[in-house]
Amino acid sequence: DAGVTQSPTHLIKTRGQQVTLRCSPKSGHDTVSWYQQALGQGPQFIFQYYEEEERQRGNFPDRFSGHQFPNYSSELNVNALLLGDSALYLCASSPSESSSYNEQFFGPGTRLTVL
Amino acid sequence: AQSVTQLDSHVSVSEGTPVLLRCNYSSSYSPSLFWYVQHPNKGLQLLLKYTSAATLVKGINGFEAEFKKSETSFHLTKPSAHMSDAAEYFCVVTPQGGGGTSYGKLTFGQGTILTVHP
Repeated sequence: DAGVTQSPTHLIKTRGQQVTLRCSPKSGHDTVSWYQQALGQGPQFIFQYYEEEERQRGNFPDRFSGHQFPNYSSELNVNALLLGDSALYLCASSPSESSSYNEQFFGPGTRLTVL
Repeated sequence: AQSVTQLDSHVSVSEGTPVLLRCNYSSSYSPSLFWYVQHPNKGLQLLLKYTSAATLVKGINGFEAEFKKSETSFHLTKPSAHMSDAAEYFCVVTPQGGGGTSYGKLTFGQGTILTVHP
């Protein structure tokens, strides 16, 4: 079992550009969540996808959008990048049948640097 | 609404001595509580979870935590620290099933960096 995988591992962009991050969930998991972890901070919830729909969203602007594919993999898109978007972006997956406890399994993250 | 406060941003111990990382939580619903560990440049690994069964929860690598509803606390302990325990630890809260608008969302504390001295 490969666990949760994310690509790329590192990314450097400039202000105003757009970026797409990718996530493949753990085998058997159908729910994907995205988190932003700024330097020295705890992860902040961005949104969660289930059945190809956004189910929950945190306090992030519309510049942050996502998508879930029929194979349960997911993308996070960020438009009009700001310096403050520099962070580690974490993807987490969980099986819907464990939803009562909401245990989520995390990938290694994508480190985004905005110059 | 839900929130987590980790009472220490840094904890330093000597190898072989006990570890205590403190966490208080707030939740409008019955909570599920987790401790995750993050080693440098690595993802988050689940240490243990509380899901309304036993209040004393045992996790991996000798860690355990006790859920105290009256104190709204979920402190993480380990009897004897090892050098490999040096990492950042996060306390996490989420509502159990049906927890309103927070359902599906993990709320993290700010983290506690554990340093272990030889």
